[in-house]
Amino acid sequence: ETGVTQTPRHLVMGMTNKKSLKCEQHLGHNAMYWYKQSAKKPLELMFVYNFKEQTENNSVPSRFSPECPNSSHLFLHLHTLQPEDSALYLCASSQGSEAFFGQGTRLTVV
Amino acid sequence: AQSVTQPDIHITVSEGASLELRCNYSYGATPYLFWYVQSPGQGLQLLLKYFSGDTLVQGIKGFEAEFKRSQSSFNLRKPSVHWSDAAEYLCTSNNAGNMLTFGGGTRLMVKP
Repeated sequence: ETGVTQTPRHLVMGMTNKKSLKCEQHLGHNAMYWYKQSAKKPLELMFVYNFKEQTENNSVPSRFSPECPNSSHLFLHLHTLQPEDSALYLCASSQGSEAFFGQGTRLTVV
Repeated sequence: AQSVTQPDIHITVSEGASLELRCNYSYGATPYLFWYVQSPGQGLQLLLKYFSGDTLVQGIKGFEAEFKRSQSSFNLRKPSVHWSDAAEYLCTSNNAGNMLTFGGGTRLMVKP
């Protein structure tokens, strides 16, 4: 257990659905991240939040919408996704340089 | 921009054999360097990290890594591999700006 919890672990959704991924950490970390891990590709940084403020949006399509209501929670709202968005979505938190990762949400878009 | 390269996509070793996974980074200053392991269906677990000081760092599960500035490398080693070490290994760097840059990963397979 890293102290970073993601729910759900698995999600199957249609292209017209709206769903949300949740990430929670009680490590007292100030920075939280969303990463996307697709097959045969390096881990891609999507969003970074520092002290609840978004500091990085790595050219992510608007069908992915992050939300950070407080330093402990991070959401990724999904709508009108495409099959190529199927991937493992990893959340991480950090205080300083070392990041702690959740177990990820395996997303399948049908 | 910083980048991390893991030249080997797949490596297969026999159980009990030694292991070295390569990692090269590209960054002007000395970055913070990390190795993570990812088992099937799992998140990333930190194996070891290098910030400064002794260039040979020890990690969990019997792993070690050596920082070589002249070669811009941070290779991961283990003297004797166990079947349970089969996993994806990810080298990453951080330029102290809270931005982890990942290599492409190396998938390790262990033959009995």
